[in-house]
Amino acid sequence: GAVVSQHPSRVICKSGTSVKIECRSLDFQATTMFWYRQFPKQSLMLMATSNEGSKATYEQGVEKDKFLINHASLTLSTLTVTSAHPEDSSFYICSALEPRDRGRENGYTFGSGTRLTVV
Amino acid sequence: SQQGEEDPQALSIQEGENATMNCSYKTSINNLQWYRQNSGRGLVHLILIRSNEREKHSGRLRVTLDTSKKSSSLLITASRAADTASYFCATAVYSSYKLIFGSGTRLLVRP
Repeated sequence: GAVVSQHPSRVICKSGTSVKIECRSLDFQATTMFWYRQFPKQSLMLMATSNEGSKATYEQGVEKDKFLINHASLTLSTLTVTSAHPEDSSFYICSALEPRDRGRENGYTFGSGTRLTVV
Repeated sequence: SQQGEEDPQALSIQEGENATMNCSYKTSINNLQWYRQNSGRGLVHLILIRSNEREKHSGRLRVTLDTSKKSSSLLITASRAADTASYFCATAVYSSYKLIFGSGTRLLVRP
């Protein structure tokens, strides 16, 4: 089955620093990846859609300059939280969309998530 | 952007009882999926129902979809304490491939 690896699983950083989260599709090429953020006891909110070789598309209200997304290869997308503040503390999850010709009914595969704590 | 709402927000039942969760959404969809999430952990995909399907079963799960009402329901029969988790519906938005999550239902199954 499809596997998406997300690292790190947990990170604690100081306020003002930047943190990079990686999302890799291990056994398929993902032209499209999605990044979500989840606050405690809330749902997953889509932050942006990442397309290989082009600029990410951000959802309304998500700051492009704060959440930098790079999808430089077909198997890797990164989310960089720049100048992190305590309010950025959250659970970040990526999802990779498989090509249709792989034949799986559900083409979305999720990473295991990254818990970011900004102190 | 969050597309849909789920109700109830929280549900507490006794082991062995059935649990029903409802989901409403706003736009045209390719399919609707249900996921489970244990506290603070990753998502587990439960079941997918296509926009041209009305009902689907998988083990103790039964999902219905009413595209005219833009709503879906998830039924878990003969619940177990291990079913305690948050459940989310997610809609694959037509033409954009975005997967948008509902607000979720926190299910507690008491032993």
